[in-house]
This record gives sequence, structure tokens and C-alpha cells, in this order.
Amino acid sequence: DVKVTQSSRYLVKRTGEKVFLECVQDMDHENMFWYRQDPGLGLRLIYFSYDVKMKEKGDIPEGYSVSREKKERFSLILESASTNQTSMYLCASSHQGNSYNEQFFGPGTRLTVL
Amino acid sequence: GEDVEQSLFLSVREGDSSVINCTYTDSSSTYLYWYKQEPGAGLQLLTYIFSNMDMKQDQRLTVLLNKKDKHLSLRIADTQTGDSAIYFCAESHAKAAGNKLTFGGGTRVLVKP
Repeated sequence: DVKVTQSSRYLVKRTGEKVFLECVQDMDHENMFWYRQDPGLGLRLIYFSYDVKMKEKGDIPEGYSVSREKKERFSLILESASTNQTSMYLCASSHQGNSYNEQFFGPGTRLTVL
Repeated sequence: GEDVEQSLFLSVREGDSSVINCTYTDSSSTYLYWYKQEPGAGLQLLTYIFSNMDMKQDQRLTVLLNKKDKHLSLRIADTQTGDSAIYFCAESHAKAAGNKLTFGGGTRVLVKP
């Protein structure tokens, strides 16, 4: 079974703090993604990576950065957390050779910024 | 850019059929998907359809694709309480780097006993 794990299910941080969200997948997938999920807005892509040390901006990268030093791990960094970054964050991964582009998701991290 | 839209909410009685609708704008979509998110969990792929098909059936699920109108629907027959979840429509296209998907806003389905 493909497994995508995220370091925390719930996180509470203060405005201005630096926040790290970690994601690990165990299926040797090339592609990894970070989304945020807000009610009525669905999933919006923040950043993705298709290889180690490679990263591409998604639709809403402002206020975020990412790191992919190892194939299995993709980190999302909030350099200075703000209240409008309170959201559910979902990590996903996919195999580059998969013909129908299925993405596998982690359980999510609910981040609250006070 | 790509846009995918869904209605926000659907209420259905147990045993009835549910139909969830989705519209998209990208005419070069190659695959369209339905993902399911149960409470407190991540998304799971429910089914998908290749863009040159107009229908796909998988047990209680029927996917209909109208490419001309850019309309996708998911029908769940004999809806059960375990079908209560948020359903996301998504699309991808061949040129998307890293196999990117574009998701709709999600339809929350509530199944009443």
C-alpha cells in the first residue's frame, strides 16, 4: 500500500513563527505536491516537485517555500506565519510513469495561526 | 487558466441515487477524476475517465463525460451512509509538468437514513 505520512495532524503556531510541515512517502514517487484546502475553494496547489532538489510554484506560492533534499521527503515552510495561512495542508505524491496521474494523499495537517 | 467548478452541497436519502456534477474549462484535459475525502482523512481516488471516453461504470459508480459541454458527473447508485463525504472533481492534461491536477471546490454529500 502506498503511504504518505505528514508529521502532525494538528498544529497551533503564533503569528511570525517559522513553521515546518513535513511529508514522507514510501513508494519511491518522483512527484510530490503541497496543497492547502479551504472550505468552498477546494484544493489549491502551493508548490510541487518532480525530482530531488527541483521545485515549481503552484497557484498560490506566496508566503511559502519548499525543500526536497531526499526523494521521499518534501517539506513546506512558512517563513513567517500569518493568520491567513490558517488552513488544512495536504501533501500528495505520484509516480511519473503512472498513465492516469493518480495522486496519493496524506491525512492532512490542520494548522491554526494565532 | 484551468477552472473546475462544482456545487457545494448535496443531500440524499439512503438507498436513493446521488448525482454530483462538475464543469471544467480546459479543453485539453486528458483525464478527469473523482476523489473522495472522508472526515478527518486525505483524498482517495474513487474513479477516473480518459477524455476520449463518454462513460465509465465501476460497481455502484457511473461517470459520464460530455466533452462538448465540458461537463462531468458522478452517479452513485443505492447511496449508503458510508458515502457521506466530500467529493472532488479534478482534471489533468498531458502538458502538465509533474502530473499536476486542478481540483474543484468539492461537493459535500450528506446521506440521511
